[in-house]
Amino acid sequence: KAGVTQTPRYLIKTRGQQVTLSCSPISGHRSVSWYQQTPGQGLQFLFEYFSETQRNKGNFPGRFSGRQFSNSRSEMNVSTLELGDSALYLCASSWADRTFSPLHFGNGTRLTVT
Amino acid sequence: DAKTTQPPSMDCAEGRAANLPCNHSTISGNEYVYWYRQIHSQGPQYIIHGLKNNETNEMASLIITEDRKSSTLILPHATLRDTAVYYCIVRVLKVGGGSQGNLIFGKGTKLSVKP
Repeated sequence: KAGVTQTPRYLIKTRGQQVTLSCSPISGHRSVSWYQQTPGQGLQFLFEYFSETQRNKGNFPGRFSGRQFSNSRSEMNVSTLELGDSALYLCASSWADRTFSPLHFGNGTRLTVT
Repeated sequence: DAKTTQPPSMDCAEGRAANLPCNHSTISGNEYVYWYRQIHSQGPQYIIHGLKNNETNEMASLIITEDRKSSTLILPHATLRDTAVYYCIVRVLKVGGGSQGNLIFGKGTKLSVKP
């Protein structure tokens, strides 16, 4: 069965631009979470979506937003990019209605802001 | 969620058991211990989880002390492919599901398996 797919794999943007990253979860998974990973801060939770609704949000500025579509695919958007937004952005999916469902991560989108 | 403490790095000889410790002295009764690992340039991978009994699966074993204040992840026969950062996470497990996507990852332990 196909894993979590994230596109694009690499992205280079300029300060002030905006960017949209895409995530396709494992078939049947209805929950999608996003994480930012940097060398200094490690893995940090951005937000979680379930049935097209944001269920949880981490401590990030409003420039970071996301959405989930009816087929569970998700996108995250970062507006007005800053140099500090350079990071690996990871998406994870899971079953939402089971007592325990491990997160299945994609291999991420590496964003570089210049 | 309770805080965890892990050594920043460990070495292990190939073929030997790798024992990765985790301290979670403030764990509460309804919090589980989870382990994930992240191999370079990949997303994290779930390994195992447990509440108070020892657990084993095809990847590893999890030993939780009786007072639940610490645990050890054991990779019985480490290979070079096990070189990764290992994360120990403690959090409540909600019966019936619900939000499980907001994990708090610490710095983890960088395990280097050497030939």
